Amino acid sequence: GAGVSQSPSNKVTEKGKDVELRCDPISGHTALYWYRQSLGQGLEFLIYFQGNSAPDKSGLPSDRFSAERTGGSVSTLTIQRTQQEDSAVYLCASSFRVGNQPQHFGDGTRLSIL
Amino acid sequence: DAKTTQPNSMESNEEEPVHLPCNHSTISGTDYIHWYRQLPSQGPEYVIHGLTSNVNNRMASLAIAEDRKSSTLILHRATLRDAAVYYCIPFNSGGSNYKLTFGKGTLLTVNP
Repeated sequence: GAGVSQSPSNKVTEKGKDVELRCDPISGHTALYWYRQSLGQGLEFLIYFQGNSAPDKSGLPSDRFSAERTGGSVSTLTIQRTQQEDSAVYLCASSFRVGNQPQHFGDGTRLSIL
Repeated sequence: DAKTTQPNSMESNEEEPVHLPCNHSTISGTDYIHWYRQLPSQGPEYVIHGLTSNVNNRMASLAIAEDRKSSTLILHRATLRDAAVYYCIPFNSGGSNYKLTFGKGTLLTVNP
């Protein structure tokens, strides 16, 4: 069946530009998560959604980062005024519900800031 | 969060069993033990999880020590496709828990 889909798979942009990353979760999954993985580093939790609500935004690195989810499905992560330290692989995951459930990950968006 | 200790790397030969250990001595009574793996250039992939009893699925088996301070992920016959970083993650089963905390994991190399 269809897994978690992320687009674009790669994004190269200049410092200072805004970028928008998209995540299509598995159909029927109410919970959606964003993580990022910097080169040689572990996965860092950013934000999660239960339906269209984001109860915990504390993992977002700065106020340049925002995320939304509409219709309980697609989510977008927006980074404004990108900086070089934003370069990383941004991973999206979904699960049937929040809690003790397997999280199913997409293959990520590799973001490079020049 | 419970801390975990895993070997940095392990090596196996194709078609042989692999036992990947994890120590989690500070695990709480309501923490499940989840295992994920990450193949090169891919997102993490769920493997298996359990609480107290040993668990089996099509991918692997999970053996949990009686005192729950350690567990072992067992790949019964390693294939080249099993080469990945394997993460052991205690996960609290409380309904509001949502965050997977990945450590450094074990890099498994499978030799042909």
